[in-house]
Amino acid sequence: NAGVTQTPKFRVLKTGQSMTLLCAQDMNHEYMYWYRQDPGMGLRLIHYSVGEGTTAKGEVPDGYNVSRLKKQNFLLGLESAAPSQTSVYFCASNGQGKEQFFGPGTRLTVL
Amino acid sequence: GQQLNQSPQSMFIQEGEDVSMNCTSSSIFNTWLWYKQDPGEGPVLLIALYKAGELTSNGRLTAQFGITRKDSFLNISASIPSDVGIYFCAGLYGGATNKLIFGTGTLLTVQP
Repeated sequence: NAGVTQTPKFRVLKTGQSMTLLCAQDMNHEYMYWYRQDPGMGLRLIHYSVGEGTTAKGEVPDGYNVSRLKKQNFLLGLESAAPSQTSVYFCASNGQGKEQFFGPGTRLTVL
Repeated sequence: GQQLNQSPQSMFIQEGEDVSMNCTSSSIFNTWLWYKQDPGEGPVLLIALYKAGELTSNGRLTAQFGITRKDSFLNISASIPSDVGIYFCAGLYGGATNKLIFGTGTLLTVQP
């Protein structure tokens, strides 16, 4: 099993550009999450999904959209990137157990 | 948004020393998790705790679920250089969403 994978690993955007981050998991997990990590802030939840076709807002959802069309994939979109969205983005998933498993992260810089 | 109070923020120790860190919350949690994050990587689960008072070990790591359910502790014995990284606690309220609340992290540096 690959576990949780994320693409791309790195990306540089200009202000106003759009992009989509892809998260995939091969563990048949129901729950998936997108976090951002900033220095000194720990991990903050952006959006999450409790199953295929469902999404919900987390702690810091503004400026982001998500979709969960397939159970194994959770997409995070930035429609119009801003410098404040420069961060490291992590995807995570879990099944019926409480433990979340994390991907390797995507480092995004918005100029 | 809510984050857990995790302390200390950073530690610089000598190889072989023991380390302790803790997390406290104003809210009660049903589950406590401890993660370690290496530079440039995602967090990796170290220990999961499910019951108040529970004490669980994973090699040189020992974690405890506080009896009040508002705190948790992680101890690392006989530290080695590869223990370097950021350690995060995370608490789970329960319910259908499984949303975790994370601590701000403890940066551990081990001097060989």
